[in-house]
Amino acid sequence: EPEVTQTPSHQVTQMGQEVILRCVPISNHLYFYWYRQILGQKVEFLVSFYNNEISEKSEIFDDQFSVERPDGSNFTLKIRSTKLEDSAMYFCASTSVNPFGGANVLTFGAGSRLTVL
Amino acid sequence: KQEVTQIPAALSVPEGENLVLNCSFTDSAIYNLQWFRQDPGKGLTSLLLIQSSQREQTSGRLNASLDKSSGRSTLYIAASQPGDSATYLCAVGDNYGQNFVFGPGTRLSVLP
Repeated sequence: EPEVTQTPSHQVTQMGQEVILRCVPISNHLYFYWYRQILGQKVEFLVSFYNNEISEKSEIFDDQFSVERPDGSNFTLKIRSTKLEDSAMYFCASTSVNPFGGANVLTFGAGSRLTVL
Repeated sequence: KQEVTQIPAALSVPEGENLVLNCSFTDSAIYNLQWFRQDPGKGLTSLLLIQSSQREQTSGRLNASLDKSSGRSTLYIAASQPGDSATYLCAVGDNYGQNFVFGPGTRLSVLP
């Protein structure tokens, strides 16, 4: 069964460093998302991406964050100058269905755990 | 701003029991609602998606209902099994489905 692949599974970084989290969505999917889950808290929406541009972003997704689809397969989340509070599990998700159709079942990756020291 | 809550926070049942998980949301103008399963240290697996025009969806032993007007959804699990042990998350599709607002989850333990 097709799956969303995320790397690395775990990354430890020093505060102030830049981090890039990578995702390979399912090949025929067109809509891509990043969510995060701080330990013990709810899953939170960060950003959605379609047709090489951001469709929607939350208030969490400030200038510290950026997303990119550098080629036909990868979808990346960059966090500049990481802070302690950025420590979380970051999930990538994708769907082939236009969200406006209402049937956008999301396929999530296993997540990348980011620990900022 | 949409808020999603789930009760109970945790549930422990013996194998074979039927059970109901509850989800409530504050803004009834939702686009759709999705139930997910999350296993420890793993990603989220979509179980059922109900579009705003639908009342329920079924998949195997799972049945999800949606009552938009009252801001509620339930996930019914029939004949529970130890393999059903996981955290179940309810997520409301907001903003024309551009993003999902998640509840805190119900942690389910099914005892053999």
